[in-house]
Amino acid sequence: DGGITQSPKYLFRKEGQNVTLSCEQNLNHDAMYWYRQDPGQGLRLIYYSQIVNDFQKGDIAEGYSVSREKKESFPLTVTSAQKNPTAFYLCASSIQADQPQHFGDGTRLSIL
Amino acid sequence: GENVEQHPSTLSVQEGDSAVIKCTYSDSASNYFPWYKQELGKGPQLIIDIRSNVGEKKDQRIAVTLNKTAKHFSLHITETQPEDSAVYFCAASLPYGGSQGNLIFGKGTKLSVKP
Repeated sequence: DGGITQSPKYLFRKEGQNVTLSCEQNLNHDAMYWYRQDPGQGLRLIYYSQIVNDFQKGDIAEGYSVSREKKESFPLTVTSAQKNPTAFYLCASSIQADQPQHFGDGTRLSIL
Repeated sequence: GENVEQHPSTLSVQEGDSAVIKCTYSDSASNYFPWYKQELGKGPQLIIDIRSNVGEKKDQRIAVTLNKTAKHFSLHITETQPEDSAVYFCAASLPYGGSQGNLIFGKGTKLSVKP
């Protein structure tokens, strides 16, 4: 089955630690996105990549980093510089920019 | 930049009734408006979308209408069922440059359908 796989489903971070969230898609989509979702809020864009080996900052990129070395993979690192990392993180992909985005089932990150 | 307002934040209806959720957007050049349904602990699922060259689109019990002049669009669910209970998000696409196609989301509507 084609789709977007996010792992792990739950992740805990200690103070001062970097953690990496995985996002893999087998849909052959060019564009991939990372969003953050806080309770009662809409989705806010962290980073996006319209093509492999290229990515751009979204609205709330501070404290996060990404890479796009392979078309199917777009990992997100939450660095120690992100002081309020507790949230639900969602990865999405689309055939290309300006086409419908499809989401994975998210990773819930909490602080120990 | 683009801003999307969504109302109401919560909506409770009886099974079989209709539900309507409304969104307004600020950038008149936005040209793509999807609606997503999110169930607890899951990612949002695209349920219907509309582009600015169309005024209405239907898919079984779900419809979306777009008023470009007023810059608002609405989701209509008819004959609601308990399994329609979820959080619904609207979004509008950014129309320009390198961020073209990026979505700005409303804050969501929690729909409860009572049996």
